[in-house]
Amino acid sequence: NAGVMQNPRHLVRRRGQEARLRCSPMKGHSHVYWYRQLPEEGLKFMVYLQKENIIDESGMPKERFSAEFPKEGPSILRIQQVVRGDSAAYFCASSFTSNEQFFGPGTRLTVL
Amino acid sequence: GQQVMQIPQYQHVQEGEDFTTYCNSSTTLSNIQWYKQRPGGHPVFLIQLVKSGEVKKQKRLTFQFGEAKKNSSLHITATQTTDVGTYFCAGNGETSGSRLTFGEGTQLTVNP
Repeated sequence: NAGVMQNPRHLVRRRGQEARLRCSPMKGHSHVYWYRQLPEEGLKFMVYLQKENIIDESGMPKERFSAEFPKEGPSILRIQQVVRGDSAAYFCASSFTSNEQFFGPGTRLTVL
Repeated sequence: GQQVMQIPQYQHVQEGEDFTTYCNSSTTLSNIQWYKQRPGGHPVFLIQLVKSGEVKKQKRLTFQFGEAKKNSSLHITATQTTDVGTYFCAGNGETSGSRLTFGEGTQLTVNP
């Protein structure tokens, strides 16, 4: 049973470009969470989704950031017009219920 | 909003010494989870505590959940170099649904 998969593992973008981060949850998991982690810091909750629904997006910036979890395919975290401050590791986690979360390997985003 | 504070931020120990990290929430929690993240890696679930005053053990690791369900601790007995990493607590508030609020983590280094 494959774990949570994220791609790309590393992503380099220039300021103003768009970044698309993908997350495939573990088989059978319908809950997906996105977190951002800056170096030497903890994980900051961004958004919680279930299939086709955004349940809680209170941690996501109102502008430039969006997330989706379509009926078919992976969850996508989209960052438009990236700025240097968006550079971070973005982790996706999935769960079967509201208990233990399984994390993916993360996408390290670097904005030049 | 809910805040989860964790101390200490850093801890350096000699191999064989004990280690403890403490976690405090600003609000009562329905459960608390602990994760470990190795350098360059992703968070890995260790345990979940649900009941007031609960104590759970995993080999050399002992986890406690406070009576008021607002604080928790992780104690490692006789640390080994394989214990190196950052330990995060994550609280699930009584009114926050599935959203986890992570502490800033305690970064443990073990000198051989």
